[in-house]
Amino acid sequence: DTAVSQTPKYLVTQMGNDKSIKCEQNLGHDTMYWYKQDSKKFLKIMFSYNNKELIINETVPNRFSPKSPDKAHLNLHINSLELGDSAVYFCASSRVVGNTIYFGEGSWLTVV
Amino acid sequence: DQQVKQNSPSLSVQEGRISILNCDYTNSMFDYFLWYKKYPAEGPTFLISISSIKDKNEDGRFTVFLNKSAKHLSLHIVPSQPGDSAVYFCAASAAGTYKYIFGTGTRLKVLA
Repeated sequence: DTAVSQTPKYLVTQMGNDKSIKCEQNLGHDTMYWYKQDSKKFLKIMFSYNNKELIINETVPNRFSPKSPDKAHLNLHINSLELGDSAVYFCASSRVVGNTIYFGEGSWLTVV
Repeated sequence: DQQVKQNSPSLSVQEGRISILNCDYTNSMFDYFLWYKKYPAEGPTFLISISSIKDKNEDGRFTVFLNKSAKHLSLHIVPSQPGDSAVYFCAASAAGTYKYIFGTGTRLKVLA
């Protein structure tokens, strides 16, 4: 039973399209995150939500919009996809902010 | 500016020997550190953590050492096993920032 699950795992799409990645955690955690791992393998935080409220918003283009309908879900919507958006996107959660974070399996996004 | 650095991109160790993975940081405000292991096409898996009030934490075959004056931490795996072959990331956070800064990872290969 996967603790942090995200879908889809693989996504190939054309430039200019809009796509969403969904994330759900069944750990009962209060805090959820989106991380991006780029081609240089840097793993960087994009957003964090605590109890459905945005608490971290790094310098991410506003084409990226997170949505947290409830504590267990944090979805990532990306508008007008660009080639540079190709990366692996990891969802994660922690019991409370600042605690150990647990990652999902990643979503491999390729923009062509 | 990369605040958390893993200067060795790769490391090979014989099965049964000790693996030592290193991590350096520049921000003296970091007070909590994590190590993750990542297999290909999977998300990072939490291994072990250490708080700045300690200089050592042990969990089975894994031990993390923290040298605050040198701003250096290391992960020791002993004895190393082929299943330990993976990419290892260290991460650090400062109290109140609610986010972890990750290193770029070290690929460990344990040779049978």
